[in-house]
Amino acid sequence: GESVGLHLPTLSVQEGDNSIINCAYSNSASDYFIWYKQESGKGPQFIIDIRSNMDKRQGQRVTVLLNKTVKHLSLQIAATQPGDSAVYFCAATNQGGKLIFGQGTELSVKP
Amino acid sequence: ETGVTQSPTHLIKTRGQQVTLRCSSQSGHNTVSWYQQALGQGPQFIFQYYREEENGRGNFPPRFSGLQFPNYSSELNVNALELDDSALYLCASSLGEPRSTEAFFGQGTRLTVV
Repeated sequence: GESVGLHLPTLSVQEGDNSIINCAYSNSASDYFIWYKQESGKGPQFIIDIRSNMDKRQGQRVTVLLNKTVKHLSLQIAATQPGDSAVYFCAATNQGGKLIFGQGTELSVKP
Repeated sequence: ETGVTQSPTHLIKTRGQQVTLRCSSQSGHNTVSWYQQALGQGPQFIFQYYREEENGRGNFPPRFSGLQFPNYSSELNVNALELDDSALYLCASSLGEPRSTEAFFGQGTRLTVV
């Protein structure tokens, strides 16, 4: 079946450094991808999305890169702050259907 | 805040009981999806409702059922609760077909089955 996987379950970075979280998906029909941030005890919070007709999208301090050839996407967080500490999920979908989530990467930011 | 609200926030039920969880979707959104998130795992798709009709279902048994109302709010019902049903249940609303759009989540309902 289709799957979405993250390369690292945990990531520790120094405050002020850039963070890169990677994700791979299996379904080549996926046309839309979302990155979520989830803090303890809360629901996933939308960070940034990208459609399959794009390969890069930038937000405030975040950039998502999509490589459809190898079915890989990444989330880059610039100047990581302690408030960025959370679990990050990538999710993929096809034509508005179900979101397939990865297992999550726990980002820890050291002051 | 996403505008997606879920109730209750926490719930404790006994094995074999039935439970109903509720979700109010974000204004203007006509699609509601439900997810189950076990501790340390990513959310797993249960089912989706679009304009009051079920529009896709994940690998969950029939004792998981749902409804969507004309105002696009939704309920998730689980019968004959099992210990493994203990999880965070998440509702997400989006503007549905024909194209994928942002899906925003509520804060979830933490269900504990004892």
